Amino acid sequence: DQQVKQNSPSLSVQEGRISILNCDYTNSMFDYFLWYKKYPAEGPTFLISISSIKDKNEDGRFTVFLNKSAKHLSLHIVPSQPGDSAVYFCAASAIQGAGSYQLTFGKGTKLSVIP
Amino acid sequence: GAGVSQTPSNKVTEKGKYVELRCDPISGHTALYWYRQSLGQGPEFLIYFQGTGAADDSGLPNDRFFAVRPEGSVSTLKIQRTERGDSAVYLCASSSPLGSGGVDTQYFGPGTRLTVL
Repeated sequence: DQQVKQNSPSLSVQEGRISILNCDYTNSMFDYFLWYKKYPAEGPTFLISISSIKDKNEDGRFTVFLNKSAKHLSLHIVPSQPGDSAVYFCAASAIQGAGSYQLTFGKGTKLSVIP
Repeated sequence: GAGVSQTPSNKVTEKGKYVELRCDPISGHTALYWYRQSLGQGPEFLIYFQGTGAADDSGLPNDRFFAVRPEGSVSTLKIQRTERGDSAVYLCASSSPLGSGGVDTQYFGPGTRLTVL
């Protein structure tokens, strides 16, 4: 039973356009959401996060939107650049016993930005 | 400063052998997590350390898996009697509970790719 779902395995976008990556979750206890970017043979790199008390967080070209009622979040990249081509993982956490904030990840979306 | 480092980067072993994977977290980070990523999947939680103690090991798949963090810094993930199904990338992440907003942002190492033949 997947608690975090990224339903699009891949996405292709023209350079300069907007990239929108989507993520849905089922566990209403999740209160913190993160996006990670991953290049081949590297570990996931933290990109941007959002707390459940907010509905938007922006950092440069990256904006994350959270719709709690729909249990949906999205990552917007604008403008998209060829260097953004990577696998993007959506992750969610809720405080567990003993203070653990273990992350639950989606399967990832492979973004290709075409020059 | 230095990020999370993991050694070895690749490990090939035979079925039934014992392996150790090492993680060196970011200096000062008290929380340390191990995850496992299989092909085509997102990382899956294995175990969490706060300081020296394994505070949450609910993600370990069975008793062949064990992890230690004796001095509250470097951690070692140990797998006994390896099986082909253990083949995956093993990722380590560390965090500081004193991070922005008090929320835990985890920073990952490059991972160890384990192949069990």
